[in-house]
Amino acid sequence: TQLLEQSPQFLSIQEGENLTVYCNSSSVFSSLQWYRQEPGEGPVLLVTVVTGGEVKKLKRLTFQFGDARKDSSLHITAAQPGDTGLYLCAGRRNTNAGKSTFGDGTTLTVKP
Amino acid sequence: EAQVTQNPRYLITVTGKKLTVTCSQNMNHEYMSWYRQDPGLGLRQIYYSMNVEVTDKGDVPEGYKVSRKEKRNFPLILESPSPNQTSLYFCASSFRGRVENSPLHFGNGTRLTVT
Repeated sequence: TQLLEQSPQFLSIQEGENLTVYCNSSSVFSSLQWYRQEPGEGPVLLVTVVTGGEVKKLKRLTFQFGDARKDSSLHITAAQPGDTGLYLCAGRRNTNAGKSTFGDGTTLTVKP
Repeated sequence: EAQVTQNPRYLITVTGKKLTVTCSQNMNHEYMSWYRQDPGLGLRQIYYSMNVEVTDKGDVPEGYKVSRKEKRNFPLILESPSPNQTSLYFCASSFRGRVENSPLHFGNGTRLTVT
């Protein structure tokens, strides 16, 4: 059972365009994290959101946690080729903080 | 440099030949975890450890064993590997396992092929 669904699975855009990646679940999470993974490397944390409705900004990246803490979005403004990579969302619950659930990822390609 | 180190990076083996993938972290993290990554399936948790001598099953533990005898090391053992265990494996650690927003630090992965 895939508890976290990401969409779209693949995204190919031109440099300068905006994009949004979604991470949805029917379950409530205590926190949700976004990671970026490049080929041949492990995922690297971008941000953690913990409060329903929370919005965090990291330069051109804006992350939002849904009010009900069941979904999240990642918005990139004016994408650059360096943003190319696999974006993963991951959720954890305080009832079992040891278990982490990952979405199946969004592969982003930004063309120059 | 703070890091999670996995070895080997690449491994090709045959069905049934026991193998161990090592994982070591130098950040004094309490929590460690193993994942496998397969196309279209994302990262799936195999086993995790909240602290020394404490291990628990993740979502896909069948065919794997782990141990946590010391804080820095968390080896993944495949007693009798099968072709369906061909995958990309990641080890990760975080400072506190009981803090649900504690970020995970990942190793660079081990690509395992079982023929």
